Amino acid sequence: DADVTQTPRNRITKTGKRIMLECSQTKGHDRMYWYRQDPGLGLRLIYYSFDVKDINKGEISDGYSVSRQAQAKFSLSLESAIPNQTALYFCATSDPGTSGYYEQYFGPGTRLTVT
Amino acid sequence: EDQVTQSPEALRLQEGESSSLNCSYTVSGLRGLFWYRQDPGKGPEFLFTLYSAGEEKEKERLKATLTKKESFLHITAPKPEDSATYLCAVHLPTDSWGKLQFGAGTQVVVTP
Repeated sequence: DADVTQTPRNRITKTGKRIMLECSQTKGHDRMYWYRQDPGLGLRLIYYSFDVKDINKGEISDGYSVSRQAQAKFSLSLESAIPNQTALYFCATSDPGTSGYYEQYFGPGTRLTVT
Repeated sequence: EDQVTQSPEALRLQEGESSSLNCSYTVSGLRGLFWYRQDPGKGPEFLFTLYSAGEEKEKERLKATLTKKESFLHITAPKPEDSATYLCAVHLPTDSWGKLQFGAGTQVVVTP
């Protein structure tokens, strides 16, 4: 089974709808991240979390909110979806562990289309 | 502003034709540089961590090297299955959250 899972994998929704993307991990990592990826713009950080009580905004948090329900679960919500939020969304985890380095491990992604 | 720049943007290779991808950065006091492979529509797959200038890591046909201002990903005798986008990312020295700054990637196509 994959260490980082995301649901749904694909979603088409209409402008103005609320939508939630979910991420679960079995790696036991403390840190979790949400990114969006657009062609030509690379990966951009939306939110990140150290634990259930610690949520931080990334570079493009406007229009998004998150919830860290447990160490292993981190959800991203679009309160009122708009077409320019059409993108690939990735969840990632990291933990310095014994190496001391913060390599991140990514989920398979959610392709979101807002019409 | 800290920047991570990858070049070229795209690379088309014949099978067996070795080449190198570049990742340059303006960060001082790097806390780690990471290489990823990403297939279309999939999540980035972690390949390597580099930390010290002069460090090298290898995996199959891939070899990553690091200097003080740039990293190279060398692809030796590539095969079509090496076709992917390769991303590099740096961990900024001022960050304790493990946030990474990603480059835009190099799209590699290997033809038979």
